[in-house]
Amino acid sequence: SQQGEEDPQALSIQEGENATMNCSYKTSINNLQWYRQNSGRGLVHLILIRSNEREKHSGRLRVTLDTSKKSSSLLITASRAADTASYFCATWETSGSRLTFGEGTQLTVNP
Amino acid sequence: EAGVTQFPSHSVIEKGQTVTLRCDPISGHDNLYWYRRVMGKEIKFLLHFVKESKQDESGMPNNRFLAERTGGTYSTLKVQPAELEDSGVYFCASSHVDRGRRETQYFGPGTRLLVL
Repeated sequence: SQQGEEDPQALSIQEGENATMNCSYKTSINNLQWYRQNSGRGLVHLILIRSNEREKHSGRLRVTLDTSKKSSSLLITASRAADTASYFCATWETSGSRLTFGEGTQLTVNP
Repeated sequence: EAGVTQFPSHSVIEKGQTVTLRCDPISGHDNLYWYRRVMGKEIKFLLHFVKESKQDESGMPNNRFLAERTGGTYSTLKVQPAELEDSGVYFCASSHVDRGRRETQYFGPGTRLLVL
């Protein structure tokens, strides 16, 4: 079964609007991370939230984690065209030693 | 500090040929991982090295894939013979081994493999 399912699969918004992406997972985790992949480039680590944390901020990013619902959300405020990318959530399982990714959300921010 | 580098950035080969991908991790990172994204689907784990030892290779799809990390520095991933379904983006990542830092993995730019 797939760990880390993002919702929606694709999101198109106007510059300045907020973008919210959701992620659900199935197993017990140590932490959850969000990554961004710009077209043709590698994965960039955005933020890590641990299982005992509920919310975390980094610049225009806000991540929440609900371990009871096994879900997380990534909010990007005041989006910019440069935020256009694929966003992936990845979980680090309690007994694991690797990341398990979802399929990603393709975000398009129109200028 | 240099990041994770991968070579080549792109590779186009014919079915049945052999391709070798290389990854140079961040200096001092004993953990090295290979992942791949096929057909726009999720990024899937392939295997994990700690120094030169294979810690977990449960994600390797079949015996056409061979990964090595001789000397515990750079790693290679060889696909022989390549099949159409091997097309995708192959990512390498590295991290520290110590608890608390190993979960933050630094990814390379990926190698885009197209098998025709």
